[in-house]
Amino acid sequence: AQKVTQAQTEISVVEKEDVTLDCVYETRDTTYYLFWYKQPPSGELVFLIRRNSFDEQNEISGRYSWNFQKSTSSFNFTITASQVVDSAVYFCALSESKKINNNDMRFGAGTRLTVKP
Amino acid sequence: DSGVTQTPKHLITATGQRVTLRCSPRSGDLSVYWYQQSLDQGLQFLIQYYNGEERAKGNILERFSAQQFPDLHSELNLSSLELGDSALYFCASSVEGDRIYEQYFGPGTRLTVT
Repeated sequence: AQKVTQAQTEISVVEKEDVTLDCVYETRDTTYYLFWYKQPPSGELVFLIRRNSFDEQNEISGRYSWNFQKSTSSFNFTITASQVVDSAVYFCALSESKKINNNDMRFGAGTRLTVKP
Repeated sequence: DSGVTQTPKHLITATGQRVTLRCSPRSGDLSVYWYQQSLDQGLQFLIQYYNGEERAKGNILERFSAQQFPDLHSELNLSSLELGDSALYFCASSVEGDRIYEQYFGPGTRLTVT
């Protein structure tokens, strides 16, 4: 069964600090996809990144970067020079590629990030 | 704006009642997913439809049902409502193909059962 663990329930940082949100996953599949979503106080879920299990290259997008390590089953998310607008709940999710056209995505419990000015 | 629309935004109803939540996917997306977000259960996958057919089921109660219509919009029906059904219900859509793609979420419907 697929499972996603986000051990950090809440994190509070001061603006301009770097922060890393941890995500550990469990799956028996060799092919799977990992995602990060952001849920700001307004409530919508915003897609941030998708990564498949065959691509371990780290990705950087502006102040955001992701570190995918299959050896430790982790897909961590780092925000560099955090800003108040980064305050949100961040979710990591996993989808196993057992069937085409079937994307049963399982979410972690989320990490609430508060960035203080 | 994700391109996924959901109506209504808020819904307040009484226990025992039945409600229908509506979702229109992004243009071109054939798959629609429904999720429930509550404080105690987190974000849970309920059900997926692909081009009108049920494709996957998650933790969906028997009192809940969904369907996807020929125009690809979807409805989630919740009946015999209980206080514990109060939650934020999200609809999401995605393209499909030979790999798994990201899902784009609507703004959600906040259901309050009193």
